[in-house]
Amino acid sequence: NAGVTQTPKFRVLKTGQSMTLLCAQDMNHEYMYWYRQDPGMGLRLIHYSVGEGTTAKGEVPDGYNVSRLKKQNFLLGLESAAPSQTSVYFCASNPSYRDSSYNEQFFGPGTRLTVL
Amino acid sequence: GNSVTQMEGPVTLSEEAFLTINCTYTATGYPSLFWYVQYPGEGLQLLLKATKADDKGSNKGFEATYRKETTSFHLEKGSVQVSDSAVYFCALGLKKTSYDKVIFGPGTSLSVIP
Repeated sequence: NAGVTQTPKFRVLKTGQSMTLLCAQDMNHEYMYWYRQDPGMGLRLIHYSVGEGTTAKGEVPDGYNVSRLKKQNFLLGLESAAPSQTSVYFCASNPSYRDSSYNEQFFGPGTRLTVL
Repeated sequence: GNSVTQMEGPVTLSEEAFLTINCTYTATGYPSLFWYVQYPGEGLQLLLKATKADDKGSNKGFEATYRKETTSFHLEKGSVQVSDSAVYFCALGLKKTSYDKVIFGPGTSLSVIP
């Protein structure tokens, strides 16, 4: 199993450009998450999904959109990138409540995004 | 509200030194507690976990005990190695009705020198 994979690994954008980050998991997990990691702030939840076709806002959703058209994929979009969105983005997934009593999440390797 | 506080880093230790990284939390209900580790250039991976009071999580020589009375989950290792150099995140997990909410601390960077 590849686990959780993210594409691309690195990207540099100019202010106002758009892009989509792709997350894929092969563990048949119901729940998927997008986080951003900034120095000294830990990880903050952007959006999450509890199943195919569903998405919801997390802690810092402004400026981002997401889609979960297939169970194994979770896409994060930036419609008009801003320098404040320079960060490292992590995708994570875990089984649903029915399958596990723990909250352990499995993380991808991250995407380092710089917005100039 | 729910939050996690970790000791400030970076922490620099010599090989074979004893490690403690303090973590305290504030939470409603009965959270699970985790330590995640992030090696350079990689994503986070679970190091250990504890799901109820007095549970001890352990892995790769690391240990942490869920202390409800002091709301703490300190990470310890008796003898660190250079390969333990990484960023360590304390986290608490809350089982919500719709998803699993995990709150991360800010992370503590550890450097182990030979």
